[in-house]
Amino acid sequence: EPEVTQTPSHQVTQMGQEVILRCVPISNHLYFYWYRQILGQKVEFLVSFYNNEISEKSEIFDDQFSVERPDGSNFTLKIRSTKLEDSAMYFCASSFGLAETQYFGPGTRLLVL
Amino acid sequence: AQTVTQSQPEMSVQEAETVTLSCTYDTSESDYYLFWYKQPPSRQMILVIRQEAYKQQNATENRFSVNFQKAAKSFSLKISDSQLGDAAMYFCAYFIQGGSEKLVFGKGTKLTVNP
Repeated sequence: EPEVTQTPSHQVTQMGQEVILRCVPISNHLYFYWYRQILGQKVEFLVSFYNNEISEKSEIFDDQFSVERPDGSNFTLKIRSTKLEDSAMYFCASSFGLAETQYFGPGTRLLVL
Repeated sequence: AQTVTQSQPEMSVQEAETVTLSCTYDTSESDYYLFWYKQPPSRQMILVIRQEAYKQQNATENRFSVNFQKAAKSFSLKISDSQLGDAAMYFCAYFIQGGSEKLVFGKGTKLTVNP
């Protein structure tokens, strides 16, 4: 069964460093999402992406964040200058179309020291 | 504001018994989709069940079923014949049809299954 994959599974970085989190959505999916989950809290929407454009972003998704689909398979989230509060589990999700179920990857656990 | 409330931070059930997890939500929209996701200790989010708001019939997926009350904005999950592998965090979520369709999640219910 097709699944969303994410790399790395864990990342430790120093405050102020740039990180890139990678996702490979399910191959025929057209809509892509990033969510994050701070430890012990609920999952929060960051950004949605369709047709090579951001379709919506949350207040969390400030200028330090960017997303890109550099080729036909990868979908990346870049945090330009990480802060301590960026420590969280980051989930990528994809769906085939509007009103379709979003399928989640296994997540990347980011720790900012 | 779009919100999801899961009033039970923790629940426990005996193996083979039935348990119901509560969820209420708040939206003024009429077209939306509701979901229950399971998050085991591995922290991967796994879809359990989906319900379209326009459907009156409650969704069922093997041992999992929902009680969807649209007027009350309630969407509870019933797990029958609970198994040890059902132990996880369960998140209720929905998205509004149209627009970005971002999922709005509740805070989750931690389910423990006792042998």
